[in-house]
Amino acid sequence: AQSVTQPDIHITVSEGASLELRCNYSYGATPYLFWYVQSPGQGLQLLLKYFSGDTLVQGIKGFEAEFKRSQSSFNLRKPSVHWSDAAEYFCAVVPGRAGSYQLTFGKGTKLSVIP
Amino acid sequence: DTAVSQTPKYLVTQMGNDKSIKCEQNLGHDTMYWYKQDSKKFLKIMFSYNNKELIINETVPNRFSPKSPDKAHLNLHINSLELGDSAVYFCASSLSYTEAFFGQGTRLTVV
Repeated sequence: AQSVTQPDIHITVSEGASLELRCNYSYGATPYLFWYVQSPGQGLQLLLKYFSGDTLVQGIKGFEAEFKRSQSSFNLRKPSVHWSDAAEYFCAVVPGRAGSYQLTFGKGTKLSVIP
Repeated sequence: DTAVSQTPKYLVTQMGNDKSIKCEQNLGHDTMYWYKQDSKKFLKIMFSYNNKELIINETVPNRFSPKSPDKAHLNLHINSLELGDSAVYFCASSLSYTEAFFGQGTRLTVV
């Protein structure tokens, strides 16, 4: 079955430390890949996306993600975390042109930041 | 101008009532969605609507019905509300397979 997995439910990092949030997908072909962030009480904001081309993509707020086809992964990274990055992070996929229009989300990773 | 707007932001109602949530997008997108976010923050797609084609998630009870008067609007009507319907409902839109833009959510509480 097609799925999106975020293995880490909750991650805590110190301010200034580096961050990596994991995302794995299970689809027949390379899907379109996204990372969204949800601050408390807010809607979802797109951080970055991957459709094709360069496998390292840059996003807003200093985030980047790397697509690794061999590992079916699309991990999100940030070199130095700020307290304002505390939020819920969602990886999401669209199957691609051969699939439906459905944007499917992983279960999310909650990021806590220690001052 | 808000790209995807949904109203109301908060909705408190009694069991058995019928309610609607409205959604409008001014991005010129051709696809709109409704998502339900439960208390564990899990986002589950309920419906997607593209060029008048409705794709229904089969696990959604038929008490939920989307209505799209035009490409810019996708409203959600819920009949006979139940306690388990309490959640945050998000509207979103996209241009076919590209990234989706989300509204701020409607927190529905059924008492």
